[in-house]
Amino acid sequence: DAGVTQSPTHLIKTRGQQVTLRCSPKSGHDTVSWYQQALGQGPQFIFQYYEEEERQRGNFPDRFSGHQFPNYSSELNVNALLLGDSALYLCASSWGDLGQYFGPGTRLTVT
Amino acid sequence: DAKTTQPNSMESNEEEPVHLPCNHSTISGTDYIHWYRQLPSQGPEYVIHGLTSNVNNRMASLAIAEDRKSSTLILHRATLRDAAVYYCILRPRFSNMLTFGGGTRLMVKP
Repeated sequence: DAGVTQSPTHLIKTRGQQVTLRCSPKSGHDTVSWYQQALGQGPQFIFQYYEEEERQRGNFPDRFSGHQFPNYSSELNVNALLLGDSALYLCASSWGDLGQYFGPGTRLTVT
Repeated sequence: DAKTTQPNSMESNEEEPVHLPCNHSTISGTDYIHWYRQLPSQGPEYVIHGLTSNVNNRMASLAIAEDRKSSTLILHRATLRDAAVYYCILRPRFSNMLTFGGGTRLMVKP
């Protein structure tokens, strides 16, 4: 079992650009959540997808959007990048009420 | 959202038990207590969770106070690989959203 995989590992973008991050959940998991982790802080919840619908959303602007595909994989899109969007973006998958399994993350740097 | 309070850091000696405390005095009756840990340069890792009763798994034990206002994560024999930031999180029953605080940085000395 490959666990949760994310791509790319690292990414460098310029202010104002758009970025798409990808996540494949652990086998058997149908729910995907995205988190943003700034340096030295705990992860912050962005949103969660289940059955291809956004089920819950944290306190993030509409520049952050997502999608879940029929195979349960997911994308996180961020438009009009700001310097403050530089962070580690984590994807987590789960099934039912069980614990969430996190991927290794994508390190986004905005210059 | 109910909040948790954890010490910023703790130290332990290798092969000794470690008790990581967490206070959550505003916990509601339907909040689950979750523990995750994050090793350096990795994503968080699920450790254990419980509602009212103490829980054991292969990684750790979770001791929950009778009034549920505090809990303790117990690592029975710390190893160097247990050095990580440990997060205590309250998850509402009908929500899968995890709200991470600052966590406790555990340092394990050989």
